[in-house]
Amino acid sequence: AQTVTQSQPEMSVQEAETVTLSCTYDTSESDYYLFWYKQPPSRQMILVIRQEAYKQQNATENRFSVNFQKAAKSFSLKISDSQLGDAAMYFCALGTSGTYKYIFGTGTRLKVLA
Amino acid sequence: EPEVTQTPSHQVTQMGQEVILRCVPISNHLYFYWYRQILGQKVEFLVSFYNNEISEKSEIFDDQFSVERPDGSNFTLKIRSTKLEDSAMYFCASSEAVPGSPLHFGNGTRLTVT
Repeated sequence: AQTVTQSQPEMSVQEAETVTLSCTYDTSESDYYLFWYKQPPSRQMILVIRQEAYKQQNATENRFSVNFQKAAKSFSLKISDSQLGDAAMYFCALGTSGTYKYIFGTGTRLKVLA
Repeated sequence: EPEVTQTPSHQVTQMGQEVILRCVPISNHLYFYWYRQILGQKVEFLVSFYNNEISEKSEIFDDQFSVERPDGSNFTLKIRSTKLEDSAMYFCASSEAVPGSPLHFGNGTRLTVT
């Protein structure tokens, strides 16, 4: 069975600072993909970043980057130069070969302090 | 940029009534999904759909739920006899492929059962 765990229900960061959101996962599959989604108060789920398990290089998208530790089954999201608009719920998600579903963690609520 | 559209944005119904939630996935996507989120918390998988049939469903997706793609564009979720505990935000999503393509979500339908 696949699982995704986000152990930080809530995090706070000062504007312009850097914050790291944690995610661990478990799967027995070798072919899988990991995602971070942002859910602002508007409720829409927005893709932040995607990582292929077969790639050693960590994905980056502007101020967002991941630290993918395959052996540890860890997939953390780093947000640099945090902005007020980054305040949202952040969900980690896992998609594996052999299944037709993506599993989501319980989310981390990020607050950005002015 | 193409997007997933959902209607209505908010649906209020009485317990025991049938509701149909509608979605128009992105046109070149092949896989369609329904997820639900209760009180802004965990994003729960309900069902995935490919090639006009259910690919995978969760334990939540019992006999009172059904999905259909009645034409080339719409994808619907029907709840036959709603219960109070069905009150949630329902998200439709689509993807080009599994497991590597990210899910693209609609804005959600907030279902309130009274």
